[in-house]
This record gives sequence, structure tokens and C-alpha cells, in this order.
Amino acid sequence: DAGITQSPRHKVTETGTPVTLRCHQTENHRYMYWYRQDPGHGLRLIHYSYGVKDTDKGEVSDGYSVSRSKTEDFLLTLESATSSQTSVYFCAIGYRWDQPQHFGDGTRLSIL
Amino acid sequence: SQQGEEDPQALSIQEGENATMNCSYKTSINNLQWYRQNSGRGLVHLILIRSNEREKHSGRLRVTLDTSKKSSSLLITASRAADTASYFCATGSLQGGSEKLVFGKGTKLTVNP
Repeated sequence: DAGITQSPRHKVTETGTPVTLRCHQTENHRYMYWYRQDPGHGLRLIHYSYGVKDTDKGEVSDGYSVSRSKTEDFLLTLESATSSQTSVYFCAIGYRWDQPQHFGDGTRLSIL
Repeated sequence: SQQGEEDPQALSIQEGENATMNCSYKTSINNLQWYRQNSGRGLVHLILIRSNEREKHSGRLRVTLDTSKKSSSLLITASRAADTASYFCATGSLQGGSEKLVFGKGTKLTVNP
């Protein structure tokens, strides 16, 4: 696997609490992405980054924020988690936007 | 909004048979990619085909792209039980100045021993 690590791998939390997911890469790739995967919806882009401090919104960005202060780390924050954000979250990295992406093994997040 | 749509949603075949999955999309693209996802794991990139290419091969995988029909197909020849997974197409394009890779909902392939 490409050097990409997601943490935590599993998390259960309550509605209204803040949650931060971390993606760490050792490949020095410029692009980093956060997706969520839900039954019936496939994989949907939340936010992505094209460099340190450079981020853009994806298809389903409402309720999520991201930060990238270092090349290797991309954080996804749910400021006040809701049950609709229960999902499996995947981080991906890419050398260029039009090149293949390499995925982490996901974080399974349950919000009760 | 979903760009690529895979067909069929599910496919069950016997080991040794060929598996064909199709992907249709709606707008112009820069490239189209196919990924595999084993249960409980992240997606793994299989093949990328650019809009000016018509066919690519990688081992037992063959991908075609028809930009006039806005469709692509993934053929897995001589399938094995280990090919059991979900397969996703993803279209890469520049939309409104933003670079996007949009995934379809996937085809679930089961290869029976």
C-alpha cells in the first residue's frame, strides 16, 4: 500500500460532539482528498487539498471543515457531529489531479 | 452529483469466465479510471485511460473508452475467486475551474469457485 494512514480506524461518538479524523501520508504527494462512502451513494468527495493551506470544497462539504498545515497531514473536522454523518470516511492522495489516487483503509464513524 | 454510472449493479459468474462491467457518464472528461474495492478496505487503482485513448490493457484487465457514446467498459478475463470485489469507475474532469474525480456507485462482482 502507498504510505497513507488514517486514524482512528473506528470511532463511536454522540450527536453534537466535535470529531477530527486524521490522514497522514509519507509519499510527499501534493493532492489529498477526503471522501465518504455510503450505501446507495458510492464514494462522494467532501474536501480536497492541492497544497499546504490550499483546500477546496467537494460535492458534500456542508458540516465539514479541513486543514492542511503540513504536506503530510490532512485533517477532517466535524464541528458538531450529526447522525447523518455516520459513514465510512476515506482519505486519498495523488501526485496530480489527473493521476491515480491511492486510498487509505478508511475510518468507520458512528454517531449516535 | 454522480457522473459515472456502472452497469450492472451486481454480477455473479463462475471462476474462469470473463466479467464485463460498463460505465456511462454525462459530460466531457479528461480521463476515466477504474478502481477495485475489497470488502472492508480502501479502493485500489486498476487502470487510467485518457480521453484520447480507446483501449488499454493491464494483465487480465482490458478497458475501452468510447467518448462519442460517453461510455467505458472493464473486461476481466479468466476470472478468479480473488477478483470478487466491488469495481468503480471514476471520471476526471475540470469543472468550474475545480479539478474533480467523480465516482460511480460501483458494480459488485462475485466470482464463484
